[in-house]
Amino acid sequence: TQLLEQSPQFLSIQEGENLTVYCNSSSVFSSLQWYRQEPGEGPVLLVTVVTGGEVKKLKRLTFQFGDARKDSSLHITAAQPGDTGLYLCAGFQGAQKLVFGQGTRLTINP
Amino acid sequence: NAGVTQTPKFQVLKTGQSMTLQCAQDMNHEYMSWYRQDPGMGLRLIHYSVGAGITDQGEVPNGYNVSRSTTEDFPLRLLSAAPSQTSVYFCASSPTGYYTEAFFGQGTRLTVV
Repeated sequence: TQLLEQSPQFLSIQEGENLTVYCNSSSVFSSLQWYRQEPGEGPVLLVTVVTGGEVKKLKRLTFQFGDARKDSSLHITAAQPGDTGLYLCAGFQGAQKLVFGQGTRLTINP
Repeated sequence: NAGVTQTPKFQVLKTGQSMTLQCAQDMNHEYMSWYRQDPGMGLRLIHYSVGAGITDQGEVPNGYNVSRSTTEDFPLRLLSAAPSQTSVYFCASSPTGYYTEAFFGQGTRLTVV
């Protein structure tokens, strides 16, 4: 059983559509991170959210940390083929022990 | 810019064999960790280290050993390989401090037959 549950696990949409990916847990996390992974590569950090209710934007990507610090979401506006990849949420247990969700594999079709 | 370097990139083992996956970082990071990635499972933490001489278990430590004699290196040892250990293994490092970015190597794809 994963401590962090991501949904959906797979998502395939057309270019220009909007989407939201969810990361949920029954546990409280001191902070959450979102990573993106390309085939054959290690994950790369997109964002860290620390404060409950925090919202961060990275161009067309919007990240939100739940008020209770048990969940997070990633919203992509006007998705592009370059957004295709595996998106992983990760939470800190303590200051530096980092655990991951199972990932959302996103495919944006031209 | 080397960052985190893992060797080998690919390895095939027979059941019962032992081997060591190497991980080295040149960023002077105190924190290092090992993950395995299986389809549909994301990354699961195997072992981690908060500094030279200090290691601790993660979510799935059974069948793996680690040691940290230097800041730069954090090898992962498989004592007696099993088919269930077929996976992609990632090493990561991060600086000290709260909620810092983890930098990952490119992974080692291990197949146990």
